[in-house]
Amino acid sequence: KAGVTQTPRYLIKTRGQQVTLSCSPISGHRSVSWYQQTPGQGLQFLFEYFSETQRNKGNFPGRFSGRQFSNSRSEMNVSTLELGDSALYLCASRMSTDTQYFGPGTRLTVL
Amino acid sequence: DAKTTQPTSMDCAEGRAANLPCNHSTISGNEYVYWYRQIHSQGPQYIIHGLKNNETNEMASLIITEDRKSSTLILPHATLRDTAVYYCIVRSQTNDYKLSFGAGTTVTVRA
Repeated sequence: KAGVTQTPRYLIKTRGQQVTLSCSPISGHRSVSWYQQTPGQGLQFLFEYFSETQRNKGNFPGRFSGRQFSNSRSEMNVSTLELGDSALYLCASRMSTDTQYFGPGTRLTVL
Repeated sequence: DAKTTQPTSMDCAEGRAANLPCNHSTISGNEYVYWYRQIHSQGPQYIIHGLKNNETNEMASLIITEDRKSSTLILPHATLRDTAVYYCIVRSQTNDYKLSFGAGTTVTVRA
């Protein structure tokens, strides 16, 4: 069974721009969670979607948003990029059990 | 979720078993022990989890003490590809699915 896939793998943007990241969960997984990982802050939870509904949300500003489609694929969007948004963005999917499986991540660099 | 304590780093010889300890003295009865690892700049990889019985899968074995206050992850035959940061986390299987990692143990497998 294919794992979680994320596109693109690497992205370079400039301040003020916006970016959209994509995540395809493992087949059959209906929950998708997004995380931001930086050396200074570690792994931080952004939000979780289940059956196209946002179920949980972390403490991030409104510039960070997401959505989930009927096929469970998910996107997250960051508007008005700041230098501090440079990070590894991770997507994780799960089925009915608690175990989350992560994708390879998207490395975002904001210049 | 209960707090965990892991050694900062450890070395292991290729082909030998790697034993990674984790202390979780405040673990509650309904909390599971999970292990993930993260190879540099890649997404975290799920390894194994358990409640109170020892568990084994194709990647590793998990030994949980009878009082559940500590556990050991065993990589039976370490390879250079096992060089990574290993995270031990303790959490209950509730509807709040956000994960958080501590500093983890940096494992370096040497030839």
